[in-house]
Amino acid sequence: DGGITQSPKYLFRKEGQNVTLSCEQNLNHDAMYWYRQDPGQGLRLIYYSQIVNDFQKGDIAEGYSVSREKKESFPLTVTSAQKNPTAFYLCASTTTGNYGYTFGSGTRLTVV
Amino acid sequence: RKEVEQDPGPFNVPEGATVAFNCTYSNSASQSFFWYRQDCRKEPKLLMSVYSSGNEDGRFTAQLNRASQYISLLIRDSKLSDSATYLCVVRVTGGGNKLTFGTGTQLKVEL
Repeated sequence: DGGITQSPKYLFRKEGQNVTLSCEQNLNHDAMYWYRQDPGQGLRLIYYSQIVNDFQKGDIAEGYSVSREKKESFPLTVTSAQKNPTAFYLCASTTTGNYGYTFGSGTRLTVV
Repeated sequence: RKEVEQDPGPFNVPEGATVAFNCTYSNSASQSFFWYRQDCRKEPKLLMSVYSSGNEDGRFTAQLNRASQYISLLIRDSKLSDSATYLCVVRVTGGGNKLTFGTGTQLKVEL
């Protein structure tokens, strides 16, 4: 079945470490997105990519980096510059047109 | 002012009740509208798109009022399984096909 796979489901990071969250889709969607969700704040856009080898900053890009070398893959790196990285991270994709997103099951990142 | 505003709830209703959620959006350039459902500690899932003429999907009815920049979701005959957080979502005209999410309204359906 087609879908979006995020891994790992849970991730623990030490202070000062960089970590990379994986997002892979087999829906043949062109556009992919990374959101962060904190309690009571809803989803906030980190980065998005509409096409391979191109991506744009969202509303809260500081401390994060992405790449889009393949259509299927859009990994997110949480760098040590991100001061408050503990959150639920959601990857999504969509095709062109008036459609909503399909989300992955998310990664819960905790700083220990 | 937030781009998409929702009453956070929780709305506690008995099984079988009818419940309505409201949402307002601030950007008049918003062109597409959706309701998503999110269960506790899970990803959001698309419940339904919202069309200008209003639309219905089983027990769920969505309405859009562009003049007032207002979206609603009505759930009839509530089930225990409807307990979740309902997210109001809009897409603004422009690049990126980006969606902006409200913070959600929590619904608890009780026996």
